[in-house]
Amino acid sequence: KQEVTQIPAALSVPEGENLVLNCSFTDSAIYNLQWFRQDPGKGLTSLLLIQSSQREQTSGRLNASLDKSSGRSTLYIAASQPGDSATYLCAVTKNDYKLSFGAGTTVTVRA
Amino acid sequence: DGGITQSPKYLFRKEGQNVTLSCEQNLNHDAMYWYRQDPGQGLRLIYYSQIVNDFQKGDIAEGYSVSREKKESFPLTVTSAQKNPTAFYLCASSAWDGRYEQYFGPGTRLTVT
Repeated sequence: KQEVTQIPAALSVPEGENLVLNCSFTDSAIYNLQWFRQDPGKGLTSLLLIQSSQREQTSGRLNASLDKSSGRSTLYIAASQPGDSATYLCAVTKNDYKLSFGAGTTVTVRA
Repeated sequence: DGGITQSPKYLFRKEGQNVTLSCEQNLNHDAMYWYRQDPGQGLRLIYYSQIVNDFQKGDIAEGYSVSREKKESFPLTVTSAQKNPTAFYLCASSAWDGRYEQYFGPGTRLTVT
């Protein structure tokens, strides 16, 4: 069974600092990996999707890397802003196209 | 606007009652999914459907039922057999386009007392 772990569970940084969020998974036979953002009481917003054949994806201030062989992904958020405060979830898909989620990292960006 | 709608946003029920949560999408996606989220835990898959009139159990299907009579709709019924139904329920959909990126609705918070 795929296990997905996100460390740390919570993170607090001053505005302007770069954020580094980690995700690890036990089974490297994945189809893709998605990073999501969740605001309190809301649904999930898809941030980035990395196919298993890719090493990274970028969107604006966000960059996600994937090292499938070691079972790791990292989400980088450059020059953090208070509006980046949220919970960030990673999830992996195998060939059955079902997502397995980590428990998330809750980020607080202090103004 | 294309997207996924879930209704209602909040739902309150007495123990022993069945309740149905609505999920509708206008993204023309083939696959739809139901997840449950509990505080401090990752999302867990309840049921999923890849085509109309077909669906499969996820990791925690006991006490739940679904139907997929239309491509746009995937309602979830929480039955009285579900032991701990109070949770945040999220619906998602994805296209069969090689990416299978999942998009989520705003969620329904169910409270059973």
